[in-house]
Amino acid sequence: DTGVSQNPRHKITKRGQNVTFRCDPISEHNRLYWYRQTLGQGPEFLTYFQNEAQLEKSRLLSDRFSAERPKGSFSTLEIQRTEQGDSAMYLCASGRTTTNEKLFFGSGTQLSVL
Amino acid sequence: GQQVMQIPQYQHVQEGEDFTTYCNSSTTLSNIQWYKQRPGGHPVFLIQLVKSGEVKKQKRLTFQFGEAKKNSSLHITATQTTDVGTYFCAGAYNFNKFYFGSGTKLNVKP
Repeated sequence: DTGVSQNPRHKITKRGQNVTFRCDPISEHNRLYWYRQTLGQGPEFLTYFQNEAQLEKSRLLSDRFSAERPKGSFSTLEIQRTEQGDSAMYLCASGRTTTNEKLFFGSGTQLSVL
Repeated sequence: GQQVMQIPQYQHVQEGEDFTTYCNSSTTLSNIQWYKQRPGGHPVFLIQLVKSGEVKKQKRLTFQFGEAKKNSSLHITATQTTDVGTYFCAGAYNFNKFYFGSGTKLNVKP
């Protein structure tokens, strides 16, 4: 496995700006997940894809958040009109669709909204 | 809503002492996974439990899944400084998305 790759590693933005993050999963993995983690908390589920289909999106997720996985490979997560409360580590994970599925996490994108 | 609760939040032990963290769900889980996150790192998969009452061991680590598939535990025997990190459980309800507990941060004093 070459690992899950996320870019950028850090993003500092001003409130109200739009940001986009990219995740490149392990190539043979058909499932891709986005999680958000704040200090001292566990990863919070945002959304997940099976191939190119977005199967579920957290009800806690604002309409300002959108994710795509156009060809079932890499994925992007966009946050529009960022707010200070969006500051967090955004983690991407990939896995296979089996009951023995384990998630491989990327190193994350640390977002700071000023 | 569906939620996985994890306790304790912190645990400080002397090297050589044992450590246990517990996870609980109000609803039956399909499966549960455990992850370890080192300071500044990302979660790394440790193990998955699927069967009711399942017990799995990895060297000094013992993982249990309750008979009702609503709770799970991770026990580390004779902790070492290399065990330092935050341990998360992640439960699923239909083998799909995983809900993570809030984690137990383990500190081991040499």
